[in-house]
Amino acid sequence: DTGVSQNPRHKITKRGQNVTFRCDPISEHNRLYWYRQTLGQGPEFLTYFQNEAQLEKSRLLSDRFSAERPKGSFSTLEIQRTEQGDSAMYLCASLKGGLIEETQYFGPGTRLLVL
Amino acid sequence: AQRVTQPEKLLSVFKGAPVELKCNYSYSGSPELFWYVQYSRQRLQLLLRHISRESIKGFTADLNKGETSFHLKKPFAQEEDSAMYYCGGSNFGNEKLTFGTGTRLTIIP
Repeated sequence: DTGVSQNPRHKITKRGQNVTFRCDPISEHNRLYWYRQTLGQGPEFLTYFQNEAQLEKSRLLSDRFSAERPKGSFSTLEIQRTEQGDSAMYLCASLKGGLIEETQYFGPGTRLLVL
Repeated sequence: AQRVTQPEKLLSVFKGAPVELKCNYSYSGSPELFWYVQYSRQRLQLLLRHISRESIKGFTADLNKGETSFHLKKPFAQEEDSAMYYCGGSNFGNEKLTFGTGTRLTIIP
């Protein structure tokens, strides 16, 4: 499967714990996006990378959230001191960048439940 | 701020009947508009985009700048069209997507 992959697929944690999610984009895709989706809502943009550079962060991304893409390939999203309001589906998407009519390809998501 | 509105959370249509899923947008500049679909237990995938002006799986969507709408239409619904549909928009250059809240379409056999 050469699509976008995300790990883990599910994560249950206790309030106050730290969690880290990983996203592996499609090979040679330069752009990588993180979205969050809560129940009954559409995905909401969190942040995106062009290669290893983080170019934009949403106001939704509080200082407890940090994202990295150290070598311009996979990316990690860490949430520190989790809160119940962080419970959501975290989606990753990638696209090549620099082409006309590009499509963002989404991963299956990581579902986080904070107890 | 960029905004995409899908007024219907749920829509049920009989098989063979026409389908219209509504989408309105509020965007500065010249946005690109999309429809994404999520079938049961599958990941979000692109259905169509306004630039391509193509028909995918019998669906079409026309950008109406006067009404700031991008409604999705299909003349004859099929059972396999049952899914969650999200309207989205982006600006050229960064392609970050702003989605509506989605419409769950159910086709009644």
